[in-house]
Amino acid sequence: AQKVTQAQTEISVVEKEDVTLDCVYETRDTTYYLFWYKQPPSGELVFLIRRNSFDEQNEISGRYSWNFQKSTSSFNFTITASQVVDSAVYFCALSGRSGTYKYIFGTGTRLKVLA
Amino acid sequence: EADIYQTPRYLVIGTGKKITLECSQTMGHDKMYWYQQDPGMELHLIHYSYGVNSTEKGDLSSESTVSRIRTEHFPLTLESARPSHTSQYLCASSEKPSPDTQYFGPGTRLTVL
Repeated sequence: AQKVTQAQTEISVVEKEDVTLDCVYETRDTTYYLFWYKQPPSGELVFLIRRNSFDEQNEISGRYSWNFQKSTSSFNFTITASQVVDSAVYFCALSGRSGTYKYIFGTGTRLKVLA
Repeated sequence: EADIYQTPRYLVIGTGKKITLECSQTMGHDKMYWYQQDPGMELHLIHYSYGVNSTEKGDLSSESTVSRIRTEHFPLTLESARPSHTSQYLCASSEKPSPDTQYFGPGTRLTVL
């Protein structure tokens, strides 16, 4: 069975602080894909990143960075120098062959960045 | 990045009415999906399609139905709306072959009174 756990329901930080959103997954597939999406108050889901299980290199995109560790089945997301516009719900998702590549979403983490 | 459009963005309707939520994409993606999401909560897959004339039910049971007559169009219909249908409905699409990244539309917030 596949599962994604986002244990942090809600996080509040003050602007310019760094914040890390945790994502832990379970799968028996040897090849799988992990995703992060942002859902601002307007409601749409915005794609942020996709990572496959064979690529454990960390990735940085501006203030965003992702740490993928197969040993701990984690795919954590860090926002550096957070801004009010980062306030949103962030979802982690898993896709693999055993689930016919349908997404398994975590329950989301609500991030509030206070001015 | 896909261009996906959903209409209406907001809909308030009375119990018993028939409604159709529209979803269209302009990227020629074969796969399309409908998710249901209560505010700030996890997403649940209710329908998906891998191509024209192909539709499947998702993991969450839903009283809605879908059709896929054209590649770009994937409407969702509720024959008789009820207050329990109040939710946000998100449409997504992705290219073949798997695995693929899903791109989402802006969503429809449905309120049934």
